[in-house]
Amino acid sequence: DAEITQSPRHKITETGRQVTLACHQTWNHNNMFWYRQDLGHGLRLIHYSYGVQDTNKGEVSDGYSVSRSNTEDLPLTLESAASSQTSVYFCASSESAGGGTDTQYFGPGTRLTVL
Amino acid sequence: QKEVEQNSGPLSVPEGAIASLNCTYSDRGSQSFFWYRQYSGKSPELIMSIYSNGDKEDGRFTAQLNKASQYVSLLIRDSQPSDSATYLCAVFIYNQGGKLIFGQGTELSVKP
Repeated sequence: DAEITQSPRHKITETGRQVTLACHQTWNHNNMFWYRQDLGHGLRLIHYSYGVQDTNKGEVSDGYSVSRSNTEDLPLTLESAASSQTSVYFCASSESAGGGTDTQYFGPGTRLTVL
Repeated sequence: QKEVEQNSGPLSVPEGAIASLNCTYSDRGSQSFFWYRQYSGKSPELIMSIYSNGDKEDGRFTAQLNKASQYVSLLIRDSQPSDSATYLCAVFIYNQGGKLIFGQGTELSVKP
């Protein structure tokens, strides 16, 4: 069955370290998204991609970067981890570009703690 | 004003009652609206989408949309303890190529 996976599921790191969170989907979806979820804020969009070599900033992109070299993967990099980036991170994907009716399918999440 | 707003709750209803979850949005041009359910420690999953004014029913769930009032709601009839979760309202915003904006979620607790 097609799926979307994230790794690692849990990560503890130190302030200032570079961290990369992996997201892999096997639906062949064009669109991929990264969100963070914090208590009281719901899901906030970090970065998104509508295809290979396409990346866009979301509402909370500072301190994060992504690159899209193939359809299946959208890794999220924290360039210099900060305690404010302690959160649960969700990756999502959807099928078509810009349609507005797409269902987003979410990965299981990565819980990141920055000490 | 936040782009998508929900009452954070928690909303507590007895088993068998109707649970009513509300959401308002600021972008008058929005055309697509979604309700996701998220169990504690799990990822969100889509339960309803609605694009036209009025009601859309799917089993025990009814989504209601009023674009003039910029308001979308979710009714859960015959609420069950298994419905206890956080419900996220999401609105598709067309600027910058289109993206989904989520509200902060409403926690629902259904008491047996």
